[in-house]
Amino acid sequence: DQQVKQNSPSLSVQEGRISILNCDYTNSMFDYFLWYKKYPAEGPTFLISISSIKDKNEDGRFTVFLNKSAKHLSLHIVPSQPGDSAVYFCAASGDSWGKLQFGAGTQVVVTP
Amino acid sequence: KAGVTQTPRYLIKTRGQQVTLSCSPISGHRSVSWYQQTPGQGLQFLFEYFSETQRNKGNFPGRFSGRQFSNSRSEMNVSTLELGDSALYLCASSPGRSSYNSPLHFGNGTRLTVT
Repeated sequence: DQQVKQNSPSLSVQEGRISILNCDYTNSMFDYFLWYKKYPAEGPTFLISISSIKDKNEDGRFTVFLNKSAKHLSLHIVPSQPGDSAVYFCAASGDSWGKLQFGAGTQVVVTP
Repeated sequence: KAGVTQTPRYLIKTRGQQVTLSCSPISGHRSVSWYQQTPGQGLQFLFEYFSETQRNKGNFPGRFSGRQFSNSRSEMNVSTLELGDSALYLCASSPGRSSYNSPLHFGNGTRLTVT
């Protein structure tokens, strides 16, 4: 039962433009959401998170938006850079911090 | 501060064998979690340990087990290996308490291939 879904397996964006990654979840008990970035042969690297009591969190080029009523969150990367090319995972936490439910990931390719 | 260290990086085993993977968390972190990443299933939670106690377990068969030592280092063991156990096994650590202020930090994983 996939409780966190990333329906876009891939995204191609031009350098300098905005990248928008989407994530949907089904479990209303999730209270914390995170985005991780992963390069091949490396572990996921934490990018940004948001608590369920907020609807927006910003850190530099990265902004995460949460719409609780729609059970939807998105990650905006502005402006996109070639180094942003990686797989991005959405994750959610509910009953225990160390137990995250991950989406399937979205492969982002930033072209010059 | 050193990151999460996993050993070995690569491992090749044959069906029926058993394997032990090791994880050293970030210094001061008391919680260690394990995840399995496969192309078909994505990142799946295996278990979480805090202060040598298993706090949570994912939906994996009993062939998958783990433990945590008093220095917070952790090992996971897979017995009677099957071809489907081929995956990247990731370890992650966090302080454990008040951990909403500190996300999980992942190691680079152990790539296990079962032949």
